[in-house]
Amino acid sequence: QLQLQESGPGLVKPSETLSLTCTVSGGSISSSSYYWGWIRQPPGKGLEWIGNIYYSGTSYYNPSLKSRVTISVDTSENQFSLKLSSVTAADTAVYYCARQYSGSSLTDYWGQGTLITVSS
Amino acid sequence: QSALTQPRSVSGSPGQSVSISCTGTSSDVGSYNYVSWYQQHPGKAPKTMIYDVSKRPSGVPDRFSGSKSGNTASLTISGLQAEDEADYYCCSFAGTFWVFGGGTKLTVL
Repeated sequence: QLQLQESGPGLVKPSETLSLTCTVSGGSISSSSYYWGWIRQPPGKGLEWIGNIYYSGTSYYNPSLKSRVTISVDTSENQFSLKLSSVTAADTAVYYCARQYSGSSLTDYWGQGTLITVSS
Repeated sequence: QSALTQPRSVSGSPGQSVSISCTGTSSDVGSYNYVSWYQQHPGKAPKTMIYDVSKRPSGVPDRFSGSKSGNTASLTISGLQAEDEADYYCCSFAGTFWVFGGGTKLTVL
């Protein structure tokens, strides 16, 4: 059974860089069938797609966040990561990692989510 | 890019049918058959109920169905059950990125 687990600091200071890692277990991140993505949800609000990455390193980002986001993949560790720079309180959210089929809108596995709070 | 437009709330009684609309543009919903619907209970991760407009993942009851016409996609839930009460989000491919709807709260009366 595939599992995704987000990890990272729960608190980030304004203007700093938020860094999260998603560790994939029970399957290989190097499969050509999937993209690996990040989605966030501010408290009490809706879902927002941040971006995703293919095992080869090809990545795609939400245009509204593109200038601040970097997603990378480490196939040797079976992990992928998110970096969001110059954070503000508006970046406070539950951050989810997920697996999406290539060539489809099916997202079949999600992490449990991790709350990241931006505050001094 | 703008979020897809969903009604903020819908409601129905057990056994009834409800539909939730998701309106986008010719750049997203209208151009691709890559629309998905997610169910989210409080404090839980989203769960995919419909993908590629009308396909159901394994394990999702056939009470859930999806469709699309032009720039608007719809999720229909028939035979409403108490456990269907949740937030529902649509999502569409938009060329190089994905865009979500604002979410709809379904209340089972």
